[in-house]
Amino acid sequence: QSALTQPASVSGSPGQSITISCTGTSSDVGGYNYVSWYQQHPGKAPKLMIYDVSNRPSGVSNRFSGSKSGNTASLTISGLQAEDEADYYCSSYTSSSTPNWVFGGGTKLTVL
Amino acid sequence: QLQLQESGPGLVKPSETLSLTCTVSGGSISSSSYYWGWIRQPPGKGLEWIGSIYYSGSTYYNPSLKSRVTISVDTSKNQFSLKLSSVTAADTAVYYCARRGYGSGRVDVWGQGTTVTVSS
Repeated sequence: QSALTQPASVSGSPGQSITISCTGTSSDVGGYNYVSWYQQHPGKAPKLMIYDVSNRPSGVSNRFSGSKSGNTASLTISGLQAEDEADYYCSSYTSSSTPNWVFGGGTKLTVL
Repeated sequence: QLQLQESGPGLVKPSETLSLTCTVSGGSISSSSYYWGWIRQPPGKGLEWIGSIYYSGSTYYNPSLKSRVTISVDTSKNQFSLKLSSVTAADTAVYYCARRGYGSGRVDVWGQGTTVTVSS
């Protein structure tokens, strides 16, 4: 079971916008609207930021948004802030074998 | 507010069985709206889904771990458990228990995580 493909790192300056991509296949990202995004600070548990492609849980800043086109999902963070510096992981339902879930390899966001 | 707490040995010998329990507080594990699962993260690496269980006992496992994994639920104690057999150093990781919405991709509640080291 292959992980979804994310860039290893992205960076941006405070106030700028960045986008993190998450590429899968038609058996996961492209086939279902069950893509989620998680933020993880060092030594902490992941935190849900986006679910079902573009939905934001209550309490998550509207600077975070999600979208999907074909087999690639994206997380966009606008108005970058220092506290956004973290690792970000995408996840998707997959039907490639028995029903299950798969994560991306993670992207390290650096706020310059 | 629902909370999850992992518990279990922090050190397991190679070839033995890793056993962890997740205690659910502030809500019922018997809710039909959620799955309960385990996710792990090796040191310096990414997240890996291990498996999930529904309150009825239905289970779903990562194919790469399926032969070694058992997840069970005890509704009377509001707990669910993970057993991973024949462990090796590659199973050293932070293990998280988590809640996932039924019919959704969202994993919205996570435990704090517990570190398990496989070493003799």
